[in-house]
Amino acid sequence: ETGVTQTPRHLVMGMTNKKSLKCEQHLGHNAMYWYKQSAKKPLELMFVYNFKEQTENNSVPSRFSPECPNSSHLFLHLHTLQPEDSALYLCASSLRTTNEKLFFGSGTQLSVL
Amino acid sequence: GENVEQHPSTLSVQEGDSAVIKCTYSDSASNYFPWYKQELGKRPQLIIDIRSNVGEKKDQRIAVTLNKTAKHFSLHITETQPEDSAVYFCAARGNNAGNMLTFGGGTRLMVKP
Repeated sequence: ETGVTQTPRHLVMGMTNKKSLKCEQHLGHNAMYWYKQSAKKPLELMFVYNFKEQTENNSVPSRFSPECPNSSHLFLHLHTLQPEDSALYLCASSLRTTNEKLFFGSGTQLSVL
Repeated sequence: GENVEQHPSTLSVQEGDSAVIKCTYSDSASNYFPWYKQELGKRPQLIIDIRSNVGEKKDQRIAVTLNKTAKHFSLHITETQPEDSAVYFCAARGNNAGNMLTFGGGTRLMVKP
């Protein structure tokens, strides 16, 4: 599949669990992003990576830990989340971090019980 | 930093009518304004964008206008069709560190057949 692929599509976890979200892009882009989409709220930028170096951390709690081993792969490690962290987590990529056209994945719908 | 307000939050129109969604932004140095469409259960996709050196841009049934003096921009959809039903997000790229996009809260457009 071309484009931006996210797994899993759905995830239910308890507050003490540890889980990871995965994102992969096949577009040859150099920048990757994690966004949080909650009901009735704007898309919130969480992290930005440029050439696998983190360039932006938008005051995200440490229970969210990103990892970018290369320009094509991005992970979001989750640990001791809260129910209010339940949301759709979207990965995106762009050619550069000057943020021209963003290509989004389909997202992971996360429910924290 | 940049702040983007989007109105209305929901919009219902009859098939064939026009729809207009408006966004205001706070950073007068913002220079790039994209619009994303997110159909139910799908990923956001860029549908049109405009830069600050242009006042209007059209692509078939959709158009975007920009008023830099008033710091607002609008999405216009003419001859609406049921497949236009989706959530539409505006965004602005301000002159902040990293030039990240700031998104509006979204507008749910419903086109009634």
